[in-house]
Amino acid sequence: EADIYQTPRYLVIGTGKKITLECSQTMGHDKMYWYQQDPGMELHLIHYSYGVNSTEKGDLSSESTVSRIRTEHFPLTLESARPSHTSQYLCATLRGSEQFFGPGTRLTVL
Amino acid sequence: GQQLNQSPQSMFIQEGEDVSMNCTSSSIFNTWLWYKQEPGEGPVLLIALYKAGELTSNGRLTAQFGITRKDSFLNISASIPSDVGIYFCAGQLPSDFGNEKLTFGTGTRLTIIP
Repeated sequence: EADIYQTPRYLVIGTGKKITLECSQTMGHDKMYWYQQDPGMELHLIHYSYGVNSTEKGDLSSESTVSRIRTEHFPLTLESARPSHTSQYLCATLRGSEQFFGPGTRLTVL
Repeated sequence: GQQLNQSPQSMFIQEGEDVSMNCTSSSIFNTWLWYKQEPGEGPVLLIALYKAGELTSNGRLTAQFGITRKDSFLNISASIPSDVGIYFCAGQLPSDFGNEKLTFGTGTRLTIIP
């Protein structure tokens, strides 16, 4: 199973702040993904990466941006957080044809 | 985008009962995956299916890849309290071979009544 970590687990922040959600994996997998999920609802892909220096937008439009400078890290940034960004953000990595998820970051923007 | 219709949306069952849920789509999928998610956590992979007609078990869980490639079902036998959670199906479209993107179903929330 893939070891994938997300920090912070919970974040409460005021409107207008810049935030970065961290995602890291120890397995050296090339493909990584970010999903946004409202409580109890389906997951929506917002970003993915094939590998270093590769990032693509997902199926759901998002004001967030991502970077992939190192294989292990795939951080997500919001330049100016708004209440509409309140959600759970899940990071995943691919082993074979199977996606494995981190524990998620629950973001609340006041 | 593509939609996966998952049913039922929620289930309230007694401990010991069997559970059945399914996902259907108008599109053909190459891969079907079933995940379970507990509150405040990320989804955990339960079963992966790769061939039409494939039937795979993982303990008390059994899942099948539909012959038409447009559906899949998950059964849980003799439910126990720790089965509580939200179950998601996910499929990979042929057009997503290479990027391995997944389309997720809307989820089935399982509650066990004492």
